[in-house]
Amino acid sequence: GAGVSQSPSNKVTEKGKDVELRCDPISGHTALYWYRQSLGQGLEFLIYFQGNSAPDKSGLPSDRFSAERTGGSVSTLTIQRTQQEDSAVYLCASSLRSREQYFGPGTRLTVT
Amino acid sequence: GENVEQHPSTLSVQEGDSAVIKCTYSDSASNYFPWYKQELGKGPQLIIDIRSNVGEKKDQRIAVTLNKTAKHFSLHITETQPEDSAVYFCAATPTISNFGNEKLTFGTGTRLTIIP
Repeated sequence: GAGVSQSPSNKVTEKGKDVELRCDPISGHTALYWYRQSLGQGLEFLIYFQGNSAPDKSGLPSDRFSAERTGGSVSTLTIQRTQQEDSAVYLCASSLRSREQYFGPGTRLTVT
Repeated sequence: GENVEQHPSTLSVQEGDSAVIKCTYSDSASNYFPWYKQELGKGPQLIIDIRSNVGEKKDQRIAVTLNKTAKHFSLHITETQPEDSAVYFCAATPTISNFGNEKLTFGTGTRLTIIP
């Protein structure tokens, strides 16, 4: 079946602009996660959704970052007033309550 | 919070030999330890995982061992092949949070290169 998909695959934006990153999880997966992967680094947790609710936003680095999920499916991560330090690969993962998280291919964000 | 350390950061192995990657964790309450393989330009792919009630798990050429007393776990790849070349990440979960999620804490990755 279809895996987790993310769009766009690459995004180049100017400093100060807003960007939206999209995640389509595996159908039926109730949990959705966003992670950030900086060059040569591990994955940093950003936010967790259970259904449409986000009970854990503890990893969002600043109030410029926000995310929503609708219909228990698609999620959008929004970064406002982008900064160069926001450049990274943003990864989305989904899971049932079995702990096994399945990742999408990521969106590579470059802020110039 | 949980802290996961991973070693080595890079590893080169002759094709056919074995590769071992080690991770340590800090939170004694962690009880789920997955390993992910990430190929260039792709997202991480779960290759094997282990839960705290077992000490070892095997899946063909891949095995993971867990020592809860010492708080470390290892990935073993035997009979390595060129397609094993990738970056490997270990991860651990702290105690299930009040929110019910499994927030993974990742190691910093090991770049494995298989030399033909």
